[in-house]
Amino acid sequence: QQQVKQSPQSLIVQKGGISIINCAYENTAFDYFPWYQQFPGKGPALLIAIRPDVSEKKEGRFTISFNKSAKQFSLHIMDSQPGDSATYFCAASDRPSGNTPLVFGKGTRLSVIA
Amino acid sequence: EAQVTQNPRYLITVTGKKLTVTCSQNMNHEYMSWYRQDPGLGLRQIYYSMNVEVTDKGDVPEGYKVSRKEKRNFPLILESPSPNQTSLYFCASRPGTGGWYEQYFGPGTRLTVT
Repeated sequence: QQQVKQSPQSLIVQKGGISIINCAYENTAFDYFPWYQQFPGKGPALLIAIRPDVSEKKEGRFTISFNKSAKQFSLHIMDSQPGDSATYFCAASDRPSGNTPLVFGKGTRLSVIA
Repeated sequence: EAQVTQNPRYLITVTGKKLTVTCSQNMNHEYMSWYRQDPGLGLRQIYYSMNVEVTDKGDVPEGYKVSRKEKRNFPLILESPSPNQTSLYFCASRPGTGGWYEQYFGPGTRLTVT
């Protein structure tokens, strides 16, 4: 059973446009929601993360929107650039200690075209 | 430089020939884990270790072994590789066992089993 559902699988956006990637979860115990960015040939790296006590977190052009009642969260990339072309993974975790594996979505391959 | 290193980066082998993929981190992290990444399936955890001599199975442990004799090293062992283990493998570490910590990934090992 997939615990974090991510969509779309792939996304093509024009340079300067807004990229939006969505994730939905079922486990109401999840309380930490990071996004990881992976460039070709590299390992994933933390991009931005949010806790459910806030509905939005912004870092530069990247924003996480969080809807606790709908159990959904999304990544918005404003003014998308070709350098943003990568695979993005949403993830979730439910405990501050113990083995708390990050539960990853299946990933979204973003291509930003000029 | 703080990093997770993996070796080899690329490996082509034949069915049944034992192999080891090494992983080392220089950040004194307690928690280490191995993932495999497959198209359409995202990142799936194979094994994890919460500290020296403490290891446990993740979501897809069949056909793999690990050991954690030193804090910095966490090798992945395939005793008898099979073609369905052809994949991209990532080692990761984080400072604590809790899920809220940032996870640091290695550069990946692309394994092909023929």
